[in-house]
Amino acid sequence: DTEVTQTPKHLVMGMTNKKSLKCEQHMGHRAMYWYKQKAKKPPELMFVYSYEKLSINESVPSRFSPECPNSSLLNLHLHALQPEDSALYLCASSQDLNTQYFGPGTRLTVL
Amino acid sequence: QKEVEQDPGPLSVPEGAIVSLNCTYSNSAFQYFMWYRQYSRKGPELLMYTYSSGNKEDGRFTAQVDKSSKYISLFIRDSQPSDSATYLCAMNTGNQFYFGTGTSLTVIP
Repeated sequence: DTEVTQTPKHLVMGMTNKKSLKCEQHMGHRAMYWYKQKAKKPPELMFVYSYEKLSINESVPSRFSPECPNSSLLNLHLHALQPEDSALYLCASSQDLNTQYFGPGTRLTVL
Repeated sequence: QKEVEQDPGPLSVPEGAIVSLNCTYSNSAFQYFMWYRQYSRKGPELLMYTYSSGNKEDGRFTAQVDKSSKYISLFIRDSQPSDSATYLCAMNTGNQFYFGTGTSLTVIP
């Protein structure tokens, strides 16, 4: 099983809202990632967690706040987003650093 | 210079054609090389990954890596309309994964 799940599939939020994106994997992978993808562009790395610790933060604005409650779960907390933050948010996981498996993504629209 | 270069296309071929997708890279430290297929508004789906130079085959797909030339390819034989998607190459050093810009492929019935 190489499944990464993400909820919700779609999210519409106002600029003053607080919401969270959730990601789950049960493959025992030790690294989990958040990416942002705009239309017709490749995924853009936001955060990497390795063994439940934040190891990479690609200078992401503080209105995005990641959290890794345990080895299977990854959250992305959103607050005071801007319309330009509208994108497909992808979660991925990897084991042994040889490849990544992506979830289906959450399509976020900020009004 | 970008770490990974990929021709964005678009590429349009008739059904049954052989498709060749390519990426070049500049960092000789890259360890693993991956190809993903992404349908519109969906997450990328891993097709193949390989470590060493040479060919790796899986059904209609063949991944080729030439580390001396820093060049990787994905060949699709007997292409089908269901292969119409964007194909992303990716490669990594440790925890960092680098993606090409993606090639948009349309297979015409």
